[in-house]
Amino acid sequence: RKEVEQDPGPFNVPEGATVAFNCTYSNSASQSFFWYRQDCRKEPKLLMSVYSSGNEDGRFTAQLNRASQYISLLIRDSKLSDSATYLCVGSASKIIFGSGTRLSIRP
Amino acid sequence: EAGVVQSPRYKIIEKKQPVAFWCNPISGHNTLYWYLQNLGQGPELLIRYENEEAVDDSQLPKDRFSAERLKGVDSTLKIQPAELGDSAVYLCASSGTSGTNTGELFFGEGSRLTVL
Repeated sequence: RKEVEQDPGPFNVPEGATVAFNCTYSNSASQSFFWYRQDCRKEPKLLMSVYSSGNEDGRFTAQLNRASQYISLLIRDSKLSDSATYLCVGSASKIIFGSGTRLSIRP
Repeated sequence: EAGVVQSPRYKIIEKKQPVAFWCNPISGHNTLYWYLQNLGQGPELLIRYENEEAVDDSQLPKDRFSAERLKGVDSTLKIQPAELGDSAVYLCASSGTSGTNTGELFFGEGSRLTVL
């Protein structure tokens, strides 16, 4: 079992829709969590950190559920420019990336 | 401020040949990472440096891969000899914080290796 698991998608949703991704982690010692965004043939870039209390950044909301060991990312009012791969990241003794969830926003 | 710089961007070699990748992290970043990314997968850690010390190289295939960061600044990752399965993107990242509870990793554009 992978330490960080994500649904690979692809998620294909219309512009303006709300879309949510989940990610599960197996190492209960994981302390820090992040969502990274990776555009096609580009490097990953930090989208947002994930805090226990949940956090919001504009149209993006991240949640952490330690009891069930999953984190989520919610994108509201999706834009064409949101099309990318979203990587879930957990950090315990090392930083582990999930395989990524592909999102495609259609006009 | 300059980001993480990697070279070469692309490299095509025949199997059994050697190859080397170079990375210059963001100035002042003590932590440097080398990741491998296959198509459709997330980055997988090869090695992490804190200054010039390799603090986690457990995932580095040491029979053919080697890395160095002699002066605690730039770093080189070498593969010798390369195998077909080494075809991937090799990403370098740096961080301004040490340890694994780092706030953000800054990645270079990557070095795309094709082994024929």
